[in-house]
Amino acid sequence: QSVLTQPPSVSGAPGQRVTISCTGSSSNIGAGYDVHWYQQLPGTAPKLLIYGNSNRPSGVPDRFSGSKSGTSASLAISGLQAEDEADYYCQSYDSSLSGRVVFGGGTKLTVL
Amino acid sequence: QVQLQQWGAGLLKPSETLSLTCAVYGGSFSGYYWSWIRQPPGKGLEWIGEINHSGSTNYNPSLKSRVTISVDTSKNQFSLKLSSVTAADTAVYYCARGRPRILTARRTWFDPWGQGTLVTVSS
Repeated sequence: QSVLTQPPSVSGAPGQRVTISCTGSSSNIGAGYDVHWYQQLPGTAPKLLIYGNSNRPSGVPDRFSGSKSGTSASLAISGLQAEDEADYYCQSYDSSLSGRVVFGGGTKLTVL
Repeated sequence: QVQLQQWGAGLLKPSETLSLTCAVYGGSFSGYYWSWIRQPPGKGLEWIGEINHSGSTNYNPSLKSRVTISVDTSKNQFSLKLSSVTAADTAVYYCARGRPRILTARRTWFDPWGQGTLVTVSS
């Protein structure tokens, strides 16, 4: 059971916009800690997609955007492309149990 | 451009100690915290712990009793040891660069990552 909750799967057709939610609690996202997002293509290491809730590292297309409100965060992908099919993970910090980095359980994005 | 390359034993028996090393090429080694993260087959990511160049560590409380992360600044390398492994420790283990030293732990994100090492625990 992950500390951060994500939907197991989402899907969309090419060109569409999809969102992936990440729900936490008062000891992590709701406490004001930043949320970060990673993309994991099959058989590869995760890649940083969004940091600090809404910032894109150099090289990440502006089709990817992040937001945070209250105890939740969201990753939006617009203009969906076949190569976006991957697993997506959110990550934050949790102040319980002496403090630790926590991840969501991951969301499989299928491009129809 | 920072690159991480990791290596270590891929097959262990129950009760043995897992040992992995990660070498950092390029960029500042002393300016960051360096982490280990694992991913059981078909499952999500779990943070194991972090270390900086002076040897200051933070561990996931759920693994703290079995984990030791160490650093060799002369080689820009850091290592993971996980003792008394069981089948539940079977996973792909990743090393990754974490937060800059000047930031608090709550600001941690990971970029870049190593290529990953599959560690299987089986009798």
